[in-house]
Amino acid sequence: GAVVSQHPSWVICKSGTSVKIECRSLDFQATTMFWYRQFPKQSLMLMATSNEGSKATYEQGVEKDKFLINHASLTLSTLTVTSAHPEDSSFYICSASWLPIRSYEQYFGPGTRLTVT
Amino acid sequence: AQTVTQSQPEMSVQEAETVTLSCTYDTSESDYYLFWYKQPPSRQMILVIRQEAYKQQNATENRFSVNFQKAAKSFSLKISDSQLGDAAMYFCAYSFESNFGNEKLTFGTGTRLTIIP
Repeated sequence: GAVVSQHPSWVICKSGTSVKIECRSLDFQATTMFWYRQFPKQSLMLMATSNEGSKATYEQGVEKDKFLINHASLTLSTLTVTSAHPEDSSFYICSASWLPIRSYEQYFGPGTRLTVT
Repeated sequence: AQTVTQSQPEMSVQEAETVTLSCTYDTSESDYYLFWYKQPPSRQMILVIRQEAYKQQNATENRFSVNFQKAAKSFSLKISDSQLGDAAMYFCAYSFESNFGNEKLTFGTGTRLTIIP
């Protein structure tokens, strides 16, 4: 149980285009989803937290207009990188939180590698 | 603000031996959660072990155990009978549950563990 999927696993896009990454909780309802960014050989950096049906809360320094997050349902959150540039190339990981009684635990997706050329 | 420190960027251990990874944290909360996550080359984050701060007993999961010292704010991971499959990046992480619901994970910088055959 508690499986989180991400799609696509790897995407290459041209500079200036937008790309959408999907994060789905497959067998549970995710009241909260988190989006992380990870550079090579570095730790995970939280970008934003999203609750179903409400606006995402972005971490300091993360551009809201560049990284659009939508959490439309209890099983799906999307991250759209708008007008992508090479510096946006990174590994993006989502995680999902269980029901409130176990909200401290997060289940991670397998990640999406974004390459902007 | 909560911080998590992993002072060992890299560690190595002989196969079948025991290794301990260190982690310290800083928080003003009295009730919180600590985690060790493993990130193998596939980059899928895998929960290794979890410790609730209110529990005095150290958590154990098969070959993995922790030494939780609440007063010292220390949370080390011991891996016994190391196996080749244990080779990965290990992240220590902290979280707490507030009145606002789901709270974010704060990660350490990671320790890369190499297993020597």
